Amino acid sequence: GQQVMQIPQYQHVQEGEDFTTYCNSSTTLSNIQWYKQRPGGHPVFLIQLVKSGEVKKQKRLTFQFGEAKKNSSLHITATQTTDVGTYFCAGFSGGGADGLTFGKGTHLIIQP
Amino acid sequence: EAGVAQSPRYKIIEKRQSVAFWCNPISGHATLYWYQQILGQGPKLLIQFQNNGVVDDSQLPKDRFSAERLKGVDSTLKIQPAKLEDSAVYLCASSLRAEWAYEQYFGPGTRLTVT
Repeated sequence: GQQVMQIPQYQHVQEGEDFTTYCNSSTTLSNIQWYKQRPGGHPVFLIQLVKSGEVKKQKRLTFQFGEAKKNSSLHITATQTTDVGTYFCAGFSGGGADGLTFGKGTHLIIQP
Repeated sequence: EAGVAQSPRYKIIEKRQSVAFWCNPISGHATLYWYQQILGQGPKLLIQFQNNGVVDDSQLPKDRFSAERLKGVDSTLKIQPAKLEDSAVYLCASSLRAEWAYEQYFGPGTRLTVT
């Protein structure tokens, strides 16, 4: 079955430093979604990427979808304490009957 | 707009006991999902409903887990009998439709501890 891998598993940064998490799928994806889960909270939708090579920005967050639609990345510029949490990518292979396959997530820890 | 509601928020049971979780999705959302999230991992899809029909239950341990969505609105997930490895957060999510994986809205989850 489809597998989605994320690296790194944990990332410690100083406040103000940049952060990047990478997502790789074993199969070509129809689209990919990114979610953020705060400690003790539930996943909250951030964005969806659909097109090959697509790049989307949300303030300090930049999302990319690879040309082959098998990998994606999330980059945060100048991290803030509010960015703390776990970032998950979730791939959708299409076909109507398939749900999202989530990666294990990258835990972002920010030191003030 | 009200979010996805789940209850109970916490449940502690002994192994071999039964437990049931309830979910009320966002009004008008046709698709409902149940996920299992083990500590430190991403959500794992257990079952997906489109209205009141099952679309995907390939990862649901059917010997002990069951789920239903009567009238295409509320849903319940049951575990009978529970095992220690079932300790996890059970998340319910809903979306407008399943095609193209519309944005999913998650509920607060039910944290299950099996002792």
